[in-house]
Amino acid sequence: NAGVTQTPKFQVLKTGQSMTLQCAQDMNHEYMSWYRQDPGMGLRLIHYSVGAGITDQGEVPNGYNVSRSTTEDFPLRLLSAAPSQTSVYFCASSYGTSGTPYQETQYFGPGTRLLVL
Amino acid sequence: AQTVTQSQPEMSVQEAETVTLSCTYDTSESNYYLFWYKQPPSRQMILVIRQEAYKQQNATENRFSVNFQKAAKSFSLKISDSQLGDTAMYFCAFMNLYTQGGSEKLVFGKGTKLTVNP
Repeated sequence: NAGVTQTPKFQVLKTGQSMTLQCAQDMNHEYMSWYRQDPGMGLRLIHYSVGAGITDQGEVPNGYNVSRSTTEDFPLRLLSAAPSQTSVYFCASSYGTSGTPYQETQYFGPGTRLLVL
Repeated sequence: AQTVTQSQPEMSVQEAETVTLSCTYDTSESNYYLFWYKQPPSRQMILVIRQEAYKQQNATENRFSVNFQKAAKSFSLKISDSQLGDTAMYFCAFMNLYTQGGSEKLVFGKGTKLTVNP
């Protein structure tokens, strides 16, 4: 298994540009999520999905959009990039929710570093 | 809202020695999970260890063990026989079992930067 994969690894955007961060997992996980990590802070949840066709907002959803058309993929869209969105973005997945620690443990992708000028 | 506090922004330890990283959390729930994640310079988030709140026995994984004090809401990580490869940021995380996957599902502390010196 490749686990959780993210592309690109690094991206530079200009203010106002849009782009999509890709996330895919091959573990048949139902739960997928996006986090951002800023200096001096832990990870904060942006959006999450408990299954194909179901998404919801996390702690910091403004400026981001998601969709989940398949179990495997969970792309994150920046609609109009702003310097405040400069961050490292992590995608994570787990088997499901309301289960055992094994099922609930979230596994992370390698991250995408985004710089917005 | 649940909060996770890691009071040690940075720590250092000599190779082969033991170090303990602190974590406290605040919750009114009685059943939850706790995790420690490691983030080396590669930035990959790697699961180190996990603990179920209803289990009194402390979790162990090779050189890593936890001291889980439920009443004190404390979840410290002990690393024995420290190795150079243990140099990383360590994040404590709390998982609320009783939300429907919402924003408080997995809450992270701000991390402790651990440096293992040769």
